Amino acid sequence: QSVLTQPPSVSGAPGQRVSISCTGGDSNIGAGYDVHWYQQLPGIAPKLLIYGNSNRPSGVPDRFSGSKSGTSASLAITGLQAEDEADYYCQSYDSSLSGLYVFGTGTKVTVL
Amino acid sequence: QVQLQESGPGLVKPSETLSLTCTVSGGSISSYFWSWIRQSPGKGLECIAYVYYSGSTNYNPSLKSRATISVDRSKNQFSLKLYSVTAADTAVYYCARVQRYDYDSSGYLGWFDPWGQGALVTVSS
Repeated sequence: QSVLTQPPSVSGAPGQRVSISCTGGDSNIGAGYDVHWYQQLPGIAPKLLIYGNSNRPSGVPDRFSGSKSGTSASLAITGLQAEDEADYYCQSYDSSLSGLYVFGTGTKVTVL
Repeated sequence: QVQLQESGPGLVKPSETLSLTCTVSGGSISSYFWSWIRQSPGKGLECIAYVYYSGSTNYNPSLKSRATISVDRSKNQFSLKLYSVTAADTAVYYCARVQRYDYDSSGYLGWFDPWGQGALVTVSS
């Protein structure tokens, strides 16, 4: 029952640029809540990739960038590498009902 | 740095109570929000509940009041109880800290970092 919608999959060749969208609504992204992104490798807990829409924690390569506009956000990966093959999730806050942190549906990135 | 570790039974019978504890090491549980997040097999992430170190809580309404989250500051731990479980509650359960800006007293702008390694809980007789 995710309230944030992502494409199920995206793919690209090594070195290419891929982008993942995260579409919400007026009670979450459109209400001004920040969007954050996580990378999840198989069998491992998610790892923070982007926080506060566009900020990278230390240690995250600058190949990863985030942006937000209106009721949507995007994660871009430039110079795609084999180790970027993983699942990616966006996250925000939703003020409907009792209010809660919400995640996107997840996107599988495949490096061709 | 702060590390989180989930603990609890890996197998729970249907209709019984799932109980998990998250132990926080390398830092204090004070001044933060803490959360339980689950991931059903092959599925996405779902926030179950979050708790402020002082004890105030918020829950995912989809769980229909079956969950209780609590914090034990003396042990630097927080816990989850999920009542009347069914096979649909089979999942990897993660605990995580809500990181936030200093000015974000409500935590609404927060993000999850760090995460525990996750605990697989299977509901089966």
